[in-house]
Amino acid sequence: DTGVSQDPRHKITKRGQNVTFRCDPISEHNRLYWYRQTLGQGPEFLTYFQNEAQLEKSRLLSDRFSAERPKGSFSTLEIQRTEQGDSAMYLCASSATSGGFNEQFFGPGTRLTVL
Amino acid sequence: GEDVEQSLFLSVREGDSSVINCTYTDSSSTYLYWYKQEPGAGLQLLTYIFSNMDMKQDQRLTVLLNKKDKHLSLRIADTQTGDSAIYFCAESETSYDKVIFGPGTSLSVIP
Repeated sequence: DTGVSQDPRHKITKRGQNVTFRCDPISEHNRLYWYRQTLGQGPEFLTYFQNEAQLEKSRLLSDRFSAERPKGSFSTLEIQRTEQGDSAMYLCASSATSGGFNEQFFGPGTRLTVL
Repeated sequence: GEDVEQSLFLSVREGDSSVINCTYTDSSSTYLYWYKQEPGAGLQLLTYIFSNMDMKQDQRLTVLLNKKDKHLSLRIADTQTGDSAIYFCAESETSYDKVIFGPGTSLSVIP
């Protein structure tokens, strides 16, 4: 399967714990995006990378959230001191940046439940 | 700021046409999208339209764009039960920029 993959698919944690999610983009894609989707809402942009550089962060990304893409391939999203309001589906997407239209391909998501 | 709005629910009978409407606020939007999300499945790009177009047709799907009114619509002809899903209207400034999504329209198709 050469699509975007995310791990784990589901994560249940207790409030106050730290969690880390991983995203593996499509291999030739230089852009990688993180979105968050809560129940009944559309996905909301969190941050994106061009290769290893983090180019934009949403105001939604509080200082408890940190994302990295150290070698310009896979990315990790860490949430420290989780809160119940962090419960959501975390989606990763990747795209190329060539001329013309570049589709963002989405992964299956990591569903986080904070108890 | 950037905002995308759409009606939350639509119910149609199998075989009828469905029309899902959307409005957006960002005048610098260059690409406008319709995504489909089925229960337990990922987001799937259905179609997109470039801002200098006013219509795009792709098999049973027709997208209409009124740039002056910042209004986008998706028409699904001959709606089938397999079309039951949540449809998201979305926009971005370039095709590799962040995508701003609406809240989604839940389409129910009655057999």
